[in-house]
Amino acid sequence: EPEVTQTPSHQVTQMGQEVILRCVPISNHLYFYWYRQILGQKVEFLVSFYNNEISEKSEIFDDQFSVERPDGSNFTLKIRSTKLEDSAMYFCASRGTSRSTDTQYFGPGTRLTVL
Amino acid sequence: DQQVKQNSPSLSVQEGRISILNCDYTNSMFDYFLWYKKYPAEGPTFLISISSIKDKNEDGRFTVFLNKSAKHLSLHIVPSQPGDSAVYFCAASAVNTLGSARQLTFGSGTQLTVLP
Repeated sequence: EPEVTQTPSHQVTQMGQEVILRCVPISNHLYFYWYRQILGQKVEFLVSFYNNEISEKSEIFDDQFSVERPDGSNFTLKIRSTKLEDSAMYFCASRGTSRSTDTQYFGPGTRLTVL
Repeated sequence: DQQVKQNSPSLSVQEGRISILNCDYTNSMFDYFLWYKKYPAEGPTFLISISSIKDKNEDGRFTVFLNKSAKHLSLHIVPSQPGDSAVYFCAASAVNTLGSARQLTFGSGTQLTVLP
């Protein structure tokens, strides 16, 4: 069964450093998402991406964040200068079509720890 | 801004009995609702969904009920099994003015423990 994959599973970085989180969405899916979950809190939407551009972003997704689909398979989230409060699980998700009833499938997540 | 609420942080049921997980929402623009199951250190796994044009959807042991007038949905698991022990998230989406990105808004989750 196709699945969303994410690397690395755990990333430890120093405050102020740049990190890139990688995702391989399900092949032939068209919509891509990043969410995050700070420990003990809700899963929160960060950004959605379609047709090689951001289609929607939350207020969390400020200038420190960027997304890219550098080739036909990868989807990346970059945090330019990490802060302590960026420590969280980051989940990538993908969806196949624009049908309202289509489901988002999530990857296993990357645990980001900012020291 | 709690557009999707799961008021019970935890629920314990005996194996073989019914588990009922509840979810309330406030945004009347939500038209598609999903339940995800999540184990620690893993991503949410899709379980079942329902469109706002329906009031019930069933898939094996899992049934989701939607009461639009009350802005309430529930997930029933019958019979409950120890392997069902996990955190269950309710999520909702709405068409946005920009198109069909359909971001998900999640509840805070309910930890279900099924006792053998």
